[in-house]
Amino acid sequence: DAGITQSPRYKITETGRQVTLMCHQTWSHSYMFWYRQDLGHGLRLIYYSAAADITDKGEVPDGYVVSRSKTENFPLTLESATRSQTSVYFCASTSWRGGNGFFGPGTRLTVL
Amino acid sequence: TQLLEQSPQFLSIQEGENLTVYCNSSSVFSSLQWYRQEPGEGPVLLVTVVTGGEVKKLKRLTFQFGDARKDSSLHITAAQPGDTGLYLCAGASRGGSEKLVFGKGTKLTVNP
Repeated sequence: DAGITQSPRYKITETGRQVTLMCHQTWSHSYMFWYRQDLGHGLRLIYYSAAADITDKGEVPDGYVVSRSKTENFPLTLESATRSQTSVYFCASTSWRGGNGFFGPGTRLTVL
Repeated sequence: TQLLEQSPQFLSIQEGENLTVYCNSSSVFSSLQWYRQEPGEGPVLLVTVVTGGEVKKLKRLTFQFGDARKDSSLHITAAQPGDTGLYLCAGASRGGSEKLVFGKGTKLTVNP
């Protein structure tokens, strides 16, 4: 399927567990981003990547780890999930700096 | 830290009415994007404005970028129930940063 996909779409986990959210895009876009969306805060950038093996922190990176070994994949890992990480997570990609963002459908994560 | 303030936060109108959503900042942006997000989905790009004073039209939607590139507005003429959604503005900082700064959004409900 063409476009940007995220998996799983829904996830329930417990405090302290490790969780990995997957993001895959088929456009070979250079830039990929992870956001979380919470009521009252809007979309906040967690991490982004300008190319394979290049990642950088966004506004709220604490508690998250990313990697980008391949251009098309950008997984986000919560090493030890906390209740404050309950949120909807969106992956996005663009082909150029500051360019039009293409968003995935989101992953709704609940940490109990 | 660059901030984008959107107003109003919530807007409920009747079908056929006109409305305007505002996106303001004290910072200058190289470009500004407008997205619409429906429940359970990721944001979808509507338009990108780049030049100060630029006006773009998309059917009944009119987007304007302020002359100083610090603010933008979205005007909808004769709103329809299908326009219901969360409208987000996002700015790319001068110098072509990879990162977008998002406003918190305006939740629009158009009642039939």
